[in-house]
Amino acid sequence: GIQVEQSPPDLILQEGANSTLRCNFSDSVNNLQWFHQNPWGQLINLFYIPSGTKQNGRLSATTVATERYSLLYISSSQTTDSGVYFCAVLHGSSNTGKLIFGQGTTLQVKP
Amino acid sequence: DGGITQSPKYLFRKEGQNVTLSCEQNLNHDAMYWYRQDPGQGLRLIYYSQIVNDFQKGDIAEGYSVSREKKESFPLTVTSAQKNPTAFYLCASSIGVGLEQYFGPGTRLTVT
Repeated sequence: GIQVEQSPPDLILQEGANSTLRCNFSDSVNNLQWFHQNPWGQLINLFYIPSGTKQNGRLSATTVATERYSLLYISSSQTTDSGVYFCAVLHGSSNTGKLIFGQGTTLQVKP
Repeated sequence: DGGITQSPKYLFRKEGQNVTLSCEQNLNHDAMYWYRQDPGQGLRLIYYSQIVNDFQKGDIAEGYSVSREKKESFPLTVTSAQKNPTAFYLCASSIGVGLEQYFGPGTRLTVT
């Protein structure tokens, strides 16, 4: 099956710093989503981005499907950005809607 | 206020008991999903339903059962046959299969 790898696994930033999170996947995808899991476990939708670039405030994402990776950019980080960021993909051959999740990047933003 | 609700937030059960987790959505979505998350891991699919009265097994369906009698409801039963039921359970929905999924707040199940 398709493999999804996220890097780095852990990241510690000072408030105000910028960061880039990466998601590599091993096969074609029909769907790619980025989520932020807050300390209470809730998965917050950040981006639905099977290809191209999107921006939402301090966050932006780029997916280059032909090269099988996606990047999540966080600018001017805040302590509320702390948590786990997941990339999840829908395999190109899937008819189930099953999202395959990476292991996540744990971000800690220090004041 | 549209969204996905799950109840209860925390659930404690003794080994050998069946337990049912609730998932309700008022987004008018056709597809619904159940995922399981273990500590430090990503999510894995238990069951999914593309439409009312239809559901299919995911990757880790053993020891679980579901029903989809109404569009807005997709309850998950964790049976005594599930060997390691303690986990965080998340329900999701999407307008259709393969489209953007939205998640509920989750239920933390502890079985002792």
